[in-house]
Amino acid sequence: GESVGLHLPTLSVQEGDNSIINCAYSNSASDYFIWYKQESGKGPQFIIDIRSNMDKRQGQRVTVLLNKTVKHLSLQIAATQPGDSAVYFCAEKKEGGKLIFGQGTELSVKP
Amino acid sequence: EAGVVQSPRYKIIEKKQPVAFWCNPISGHNTLYWYLQNLGQGPELLIRYENEEAVDDSQLPKDRFSAERLKGVDSTLKIQPAELGDSAVYLCASSPRTGGTDTQYFGPGTRLTVL
Repeated sequence: GESVGLHLPTLSVQEGDNSIINCAYSNSASDYFIWYKQESGKGPQFIIDIRSNMDKRQGQRVTVLLNKTVKHLSLQIAATQPGDSAVYFCAEKKEGGKLIFGQGTELSVKP
Repeated sequence: EAGVVQSPRYKIIEKKQPVAFWCNPISGHNTLYWYLQNLGQGPELLIRYENEEAVDDSQLPKDRFSAERLKGVDSTLKIQPAELGDSAVYLCASSPRTGGTDTQYFGPGTRLTVL
């Protein structure tokens, strides 16, 4: 079946460094992806999205890259801060708004 | 603007007991979602409402789970009877328009523990 998954369950970075969180998907017809941030005790929070007609999209300190050839997307966080510590999920948005989430990567930022 | 409100935040019950969760979406949001999130996993959709109509309940275990959104605003999700495997976080989300194209805004969730 279709799946969206992350490569690493945990990632530890030094404050100020850049973070890269990866995600793979299986359905080549997938066309809309979203990255969510979930802090402890809170619901997922929208970070950035990208459609399949784009390779790259930038937000404030975040960049999402989409490689449709290898069915891979990544979230890059520049100058990682302690407040970025959270679990990050990639999700595919399907018809009707249904979100298919991956398992999540826990990002820890060391001061 | 207030976000999605859920209550209770935490609930501990014994197996075979009933339990209900309540969600108040962001004002004016027409679409409401209930998700289930197991520990260490991403959320999984249970049911989606457009106004008061359940338009996707294919993932809802209907033998024990039920949901309603009578006036197209607040929603309740019920489990009766609860089983040990139902222990999880139940998330509610809402989005402004119908059709699923808008960003979904999540509430903090209700953490259910079934003993």
